[in-house]
Amino acid sequence: EIVLTQSPGTLSLSPGERATLSCRASQSVSRNSLTWYQHKPGQAPKLLIYGASSRATGVPDRFSGSGSGTDFTLAISRLEPEDFAVYYCQQYGGSPLYTFGQGTKLEIK
Amino acid sequence: QVQLQESGPGLVTPSGTLSLTCAVSGGSVGSSNWWNWVRQPPGQGLEWIGQIYQSGTTNYNPSLESRVTISVDKSKNQFSLQVTSVTAADTAVYYCARESGVAPYHFDSWGRGTLVTVSS
Repeated sequence: EIVLTQSPGTLSLSPGERATLSCRASQSVSRNSLTWYQHKPGQAPKLLIYGASSRATGVPDRFSGSGSGTDFTLAISRLEPEDFAVYYCQQYGGSPLYTFGQGTKLEIK
Repeated sequence: QVQLQESGPGLVTPSGTLSLTCAVSGGSVGSSNWWNWVRQPPGQGLEWIGQIYQSGTTNYNPSLESRVTISVDKSKNQFSLQVTSVTAADTAVYYCARESGVAPYHFDSWGRGTLVTVSS
């Protein structure tokens, strides 16, 4: 199983600041099939970044993804109030076919 | 834009069977996509349960495979999840999701989720 470890567990920042979230895989992720989702309570998870660095349709350009192999990063350049949520990374291609990280909670400082 | 909606009993008794349905609108389960189930126990992260293709071909999480069945009904444009021999550990919000039709694979549409509690 490919285990994804996200850090930090909780990130406390203020609107306007930059956020950097990490996702580290226990093995190399197949063809950079690393995805980031944003999840707010009571809502469906929202696709942000796929293929490690491709922004999904309609996602603001303050969100960016980078990395390859086993180390991946989600950056949010200038935090807006609506960005405070839980963020999950996900990989495709291992066994099980999909695994998720445990999540990073981005909270308002 | 495709929309997914989960439905099913919110309460299941221990040792019973959990059954959920995901209705698809704005798209077709007969398309070239895999259809997935994901769950989130209270206070925990997301766990992939399994997926099905229009042909009925399935892939399951090995940790759940012995208790899980996913099926598809193209006439009703929906797919379903059954989990047998449930325990309190199966209490979770259950989500259905569509996998993108092309690589790199990811889930491009999700339902809002439905809470299932296992309790007597």
